Formats: sequence, structure tokens, C-alpha cells
Amino acid sequence: EAQVTQNPRYLITVTGKKLTVTCSQNMNHEYMSWYRQDPGLGLRQIYYSMNVEVTDKGDVPEGYKVSRKEKRNFPLILESPSPNQTSLYFCASGSLGLYNEQFFGPGTRLTVL
Amino acid sequence: TQLLEQSPQFLSIQEGENLTVYCNSSSVFSSLQWYRQEPGEGPVLLVTVVTGGEVKKLKRLTFQFGDARKDSSLHITAAQPGDTGLYLCAGGEGTYKYIFGTGTRLKVLA
Repeated sequence: EAQVTQNPRYLITVTGKKLTVTCSQNMNHEYMSWYRQDPGLGLRQIYYSMNVEVTDKGDVPEGYKVSRKEKRNFPLILESPSPNQTSLYFCASGSLGLYNEQFFGPGTRLTVL
Repeated sequence: TQLLEQSPQFLSIQEGENLTVYCNSSSVFSSLQWYRQEPGEGPVLLVTVVTGGEVKKLKRLTFQFGDARKDSSLHITAAQPGDTGLYLCAGGEGTYKYIFGTGTRLKVLA
């Protein structure tokens, strides 16, 4: 089954404790992206990647890191999480081009205390 | 950063009614996508439009991209309870950077 998987689905952590949210896709997509979704603010793009070793900043990259060492994986790293990073996070993948259909994962709900 | 404003924010209608959701910006986008999101799930793409004035139909849903590629609308004819969900528009800046609207939460009552 073609899908984007994220782990964990739920995470509660404390300020300053490094964490990684994994994202994997099995559709051989070149493009992958991370978003956060907050009430009243909608989905905001954090980082995106057009291919292995190629990443770029979205609208809200501060406090986040990503890496793209393999085509299928695109982990999101929070080196020192803070409470304002409490959010619902989505990973997406898609093919390149104007008609890029982004396939979204199921989401990771992160709470930083 | 470009902004996308969606209206209305909330809409509750009876089954069988028609509705239109709007997505507006002061900036030009290379493409405009519409998604629907169900609770507990990620957004699912409904349509992508790339040409100014383009109209696409998906069963009872009609999507239009403004002539100047700054705005878009989604029209649903004879809404059904299965149409209930959060509708999101997303403007493409170039090909790979996307700006999402804040969403329209639709509830269709049986």
C-alpha cells in the first residue's frame, strides 16, 4: 500500500530534550516536506526537500532541522524543543512538477512541557 | 511571505444546499491546490489548478482559479453529509514551497 508513515504518532516531552520524528514514504517520491498545523494558523511549511541531500527552508524553519540521506526518509529533528513547538506535525511526499500531488502522513501530535 | 485568506471560516448547511468557499491573496501563485482533511488524518488532495481562469470539476465539486492567479473558489452542488470536513487551499510559490490557507470547516447536516 502506497503510504507516508510517521513515528511516533503522539509524543509528550519536556523543554530541551532532543527528539526526532521520523517520516518514511514507499512511493519513490523525490519531494518531501514537513508542516505544522496550529489552530487559527493553518498548515505552515517547515522544511522541504527536492531530492537526497537537497533541503530548503519553508516559512517556519526556526528551531527545526531536517536531513535527507535516503530518498524514502525525511526525519524532523528538534534539537532543543520549546513549548511553542507544541503542535500537530505532518510529513508529506510527492512527485516533482506543478501538479505535485502531496501525500500526507497521519500526523504526529507533539506536546512540549 | 504570501498570505492566503479563506472564507468563510465555518459553514453549517443542510443536505442538498449549494455552497462556495473562497481563497484569496494579494499575491500571484504558480499553482493552487485544494485539500480536504478529516479529523485525525492528514489532508487529501482534491485538485490542482495552474492556469489563470482554469475550471475543474470533480463530481459535485467545481474549482476555479482566478484569471490573475491570486484567488480561487470551490463550489459544492447539492452538499451531502459525506462532504463534511476541513477544506484547505494551498498556493504554490514556485514548485515546491506552499502557503496554506487557514481552512473552512464545513458541516453538512442530514
